[in-house]
Amino acid sequence: EVQLVESGGGLIQPGGSLRLSCAASGVTVNTNYMTWVRQAPGKGLEWVSVVFSVSSTYYADSVKGRFTISRDNSKNTLYLQMNSLRAEDTAVYYCARGASGAPLEFWGQGTLVTVSS
Amino acid sequence: DIQMTQSPSAMSASVGDRVTITCRASQGISNYLAWFQQKPGKVPKRLIYAASSLQSGVPSRFSGSGSGTEFTLTINSLQPEDFATYYCLQHKTYPLTFGGGTKVEIK
Repeated sequence: EVQLVESGGGLIQPGGSLRLSCAASGVTVNTNYMTWVRQAPGKGLEWVSVVFSVSSTYYADSVKGRFTISRDNSKNTLYLQMNSLRAEDTAVYYCARGASGAPLEFWGQGTLVTVSS
Repeated sequence: DIQMTQSPSAMSASVGDRVTITCRASQGISNYLAWFQQKPGKVPKRLIYAASSLQSGVPSRFSGSGSGTEFTLTINSLQPEDFATYYCLQHKTYPLTFGGGTKVEIK
């Protein structure tokens, strides 16, 4: 059974940094398309970033240069390092696993990030 | 970036109705289109991928069609548990992009 458990969310001031984690079981993070998706309160879904293959990464324009996706194969964990946080980054952040041509099949429960002074 | 436009943004329907939701891409994406369902306070759930492939475990009243720039999600005989918000996602080109969502409410 695939399980994805996010952690690391919380309240952070604008300009601050936060690292989200997504611990995986039943799936290996280094052999799948591992993705972060976010959802601002009362809003729709926004794709954030993906990592796949050896080191292929892509980002949404809204986070490029501020967020970094990575994974630790030994811990089977996906990360999202978020720097220079803004109020508009406030959202529930989900990690999800997919495959080429079949994205976002399994989702975690999400972790809430609130950027506010 | 590819823009995804969903319509309608909200709709009211009755149990037993046939519901159709449309998603249009700003450029051709072949069949790289997925559909998701999200109920209030819940995690999104994938219903369809590759435009028309039904996710395992999803009821057969859900179907997807289309190719290129226009896609449709159809729910035949709407059930009470189908009242939710539906999103399309293009997965042809990074960055991936979602549609704005369609909220299906009870009439």
